[in-house]
Amino acid sequence: DTGVSQDPRHKITKRGQNVTFRCDPISEHNRLYWYRQTLGQGPEFLTYFQNEAQLEKSRLLSDRFSAERPKGSFSTLEIQRTEQGDSAMYLCASSFGDLREKLFFGSGTQLSVL
Amino acid sequence: DAKTTQPPSMDCAEGRAANLPCNHSTISGNEYVYWYRQIHSQGPQYIIHGLKNNETNEMASLIITEDRKSSTLILPHATLRDTAVYYCIVRNTGTASKLTFGTGTRLQVTL
Repeated sequence: DTGVSQDPRHKITKRGQNVTFRCDPISEHNRLYWYRQTLGQGPEFLTYFQNEAQLEKSRLLSDRFSAERPKGSFSTLEIQRTEQGDSAMYLCASSFGDLREKLFFGSGTQLSVL
Repeated sequence: DAKTTQPPSMDCAEGRAANLPCNHSTISGNEYVYWYRQIHSQGPQYIIHGLKNNETNEMASLIITEDRKSSTLILPHATLRDTAVYYCIVRNTGTASKLTFGTGTRLQVTL
């Protein structure tokens, strides 16, 4: 068990560019979550998957954001036409899916939009 | 999910017990209390959770009042590595799956 892995750890991009992040959950976990965190704030929920199905999306997830989990394993989060306000830490978490589940978080991808 | 209220910051001397309070006065009967912590530059880490009874594991103890309107996370012998932001979260496991984080308590453990 190597934990939840996120790639890259850091991403610097120019405004207007597209970026994609990858998350590899713990292998037997069927739920996968994406959160966003800005400085001084707690993580904010963006979306979650059960296997390959995207079951919930936050209103924070504008139409420039898209997440996929095509085979129920790894997931990608893409941001199109990045804006400076997208600068944040993007966290991925996974869980086994039990009702009293514990979430295991990765170390996140720090995005800076210049 | 019910909202929680935590002090923004606390200090604790190394080796002493750290007692972190949380108010959740609007908690309902099927909502659990969860605690996570986030060490600088890392993702949040699960600590403990409970419904009604007090709980203890290798990391901490969770004391929930009888009316369930507040709880206390206890780190029995704080070390410098316990310096982190601690989040108290109330979650309805019967419906929503997500955790809703507040701003937490920043615990500083000092020598």
